[in-house]
Amino acid sequence: GIQVEQSPPDLILQEGANSTLRCNFSDSVNNLQWFHQNPWGQLINLFYIPSGTKQNGRLSATTVATERYSLLYISSSQTTDSGVYFCAVGNQGGKLIFGQGTELSVKP
Amino acid sequence: DAGVIQSPRHEVTEMGQEVTLRCKPISGHDYLFWYRQTMMRGLELLIYFNNNVPIDDSGMPEDRFSAKMPNASFSTLKIQPSEPRDSAVYFCASSPWLALAKNIQYFGAGTRLSVL
Repeated sequence: GIQVEQSPPDLILQEGANSTLRCNFSDSVNNLQWFHQNPWGQLINLFYIPSGTKQNGRLSATTVATERYSLLYISSSQTTDSGVYFCAVGNQGGKLIFGQGTELSVKP
Repeated sequence: DAGVIQSPRHEVTEMGQEVTLRCKPISGHDYLFWYRQTMMRGLELLIYFNNNVPIDDSGMPEDRFSAKMPNASFSTLKIQPSEPRDSAVYFCASSPWLALAKNIQYFGAGTRLSVL
């Protein structure tokens, strides 16, 4: 099956700093999503981005499908950005394969 | 819409007991998914339904686990008998048909299960 690898596994930032999270996947996919799991455990959709670039406020994401990776950019980080960021991919039916996540901690 | 609703939010039980987790998907969504999250294995898909019919249950760990969807607005995940290694957070997600090709799934708040 598809393998999904995220890096870095952990990241500590000072408030206001920028960061880039990476997701590599082992096979062609037709679907890719980024999720944020907040400290209370809630999983929130951030982006559906099988290819191209999207932006939503301080967050943006880019997927280069031909090279099998996606990047999530967080600019001017805030303490509320803390949590775990997951990349999930799919290439058949409804199955989503999740990476192990990047745990982000933003310090005030 | 209230989103995907799961109950209970927390469940503590003793080994050997039956556990039933419940999920109400977003109204109008045709697909329903059950996931399990653990530290060791991360987030893994257990089973998913389309129009109340199980489509793929290859992620169900063993016969102690069963899932049903008797109607479009309700699903259960049952563990009988429960074991300590079943302790995890169980998520339910739903997706409308039009969004499925994009795999846009909307998650509930999860049920944190502790088996003592």
